[in-house]
Amino acid sequence: QKEVEQDPGPLSVPEGAIVSLNCTYSNSAFQYFMWYRQYSRKGPELLMYTYSSGNKEDGRFTAQVDKSSKYISLFIRDSQPSDSATYLCAMSASGGYNKLIFGAGTRLAVHP
Amino acid sequence: NAGVTQTPKFRILKIGQSMTLQCAQDMNHNYMYWYRQDPGMGLKLIYYSVGAGITDKGEVPNGYNVSRSTTEDFPLRLELAAPSQTSVYFCASSYSGQGVEDTQYFGPGTRLTVL
Repeated sequence: QKEVEQDPGPLSVPEGAIVSLNCTYSNSAFQYFMWYRQYSRKGPELLMYTYSSGNKEDGRFTAQVDKSSKYISLFIRDSQPSDSATYLCAMSASGGYNKLIFGAGTRLAVHP
Repeated sequence: NAGVTQTPKFRILKIGQSMTLQCAQDMNHNYMYWYRQDPGMGLKLIYYSVGAGITDKGEVPNGYNVSRSTTEDFPLRLELAAPSQTSVYFCASSYSGQGVEDTQYFGPGTRLTVL
């Protein structure tokens, strides 16, 4: 069993839809949770990070962590075609970038 | 700022050949990282460096070597290339190394095929 599981998709939604992207994990020591966005043929870019449980909001993006269920989510409101990308979750126990465990990524397509 | 730059963008190697993937950053970051990304597998850390002259292994270091003689450059060396090293390689950098303190920046990647 992988430490971090992420449905690869693809997920196809119409413009304006609310998108929910999810990851599950098995290591209860994970406390730092990150979401990266990766456009085709580009490097990942850090989108959001959260520490421990709870929600964090940044514009149209909301990151949610449920440590009791070992489940994290990224919600995108009012999705745009420019949101079409692969979204990777990543997490670690210590917060150090050298200890991150990445999910495989979910490919999202938002069509006009 | 150019950010994190990587060369070459693409490369095809024959089994047993060697090559160096170049990475440079102009943000005066202390930490630099090399990852590989295989389809359906996510990113795996190969090596990282916390400053000039200091490097350490990541999750998948076998078959690779690194050096860090300057703050700006962090080359990745492949010796005796094998088909299992076919992947997309990303270099990244950050100032402090901690996700809660600052952002990690990635380069555009090098697509390597070993035949």
